[in-house]
Amino acid sequence: GIQVEQSPPDLILQEGANSTLRCNFSDSVNNLQWFHQNPWGQLINLFYIPSGTKQNGRLSATTVATERYSLLYISSSQTTDSGVYFCAVEWAAGNKLTFGGGTRVLVKP
Amino acid sequence: DTEVTQTPKHLVMGMTNKKSLKCEQHMGHRAMYWYKQKAKKPPELMFVYSYEKLSINESVPSRFSPECPNSSLLNLHLHALQPEDSALYLCASSSLFREQFFGPGTRLTVL
Repeated sequence: GIQVEQSPPDLILQEGANSTLRCNFSDSVNNLQWFHQNPWGQLINLFYIPSGTKQNGRLSATTVATERYSLLYISSSQTTDSGVYFCAVEWAAGNKLTFGGGTRVLVKP
Repeated sequence: DTEVTQTPKHLVMGMTNKKSLKCEQHMGHRAMYWYKQKAKKPPELMFVYSYEKLSINESVPSRFSPECPNSSLLNLHLHALQPEDSALYLCASSSLFREQFFGPGTRLTVL
């Protein structure tokens, strides 16, 4: 099956800092999603981005499908950005989402 | 309505109990999913329903039995679970081959 790797595994930021999270995948994908999982376990949709660039407030994402990677940018981080960020890809047929291992982010005040 | 709801939020059960998890969506999505998430791990797909028919079973043990009574509802029936089945169980829905939306999950503890 497809391999999805996220880096870094852990990230500690000072409030106000910028950061980049990376997601590499080993095969062609139909779709790619970025999620933020809050401390209560809720997976919050950030981006649905099989290719191209999107922005939503302080967050933006870029997927380069031909090179099999996606980047999530967090600017001017806030303590509420803490949590785990997951990249998930849909490959082959069948609506199967495969998740990367996640990046655990802690934003300190 | 743009959310997926799950009940109960928390469930504690013994190994001989029978219980059910419930999931509901009113977004008109025709695909629904069950995922299992262990602590500090990513979610793992268990089952996929498309148009109320089971389309994917990721080799899940038979003590987990999914059911899709209609296009808005998804159940997961639990029987004779083991302590290692304790996890967060997440439900999701989507239009076919489109963005998936997740519910808040049921945190299950098996004693």
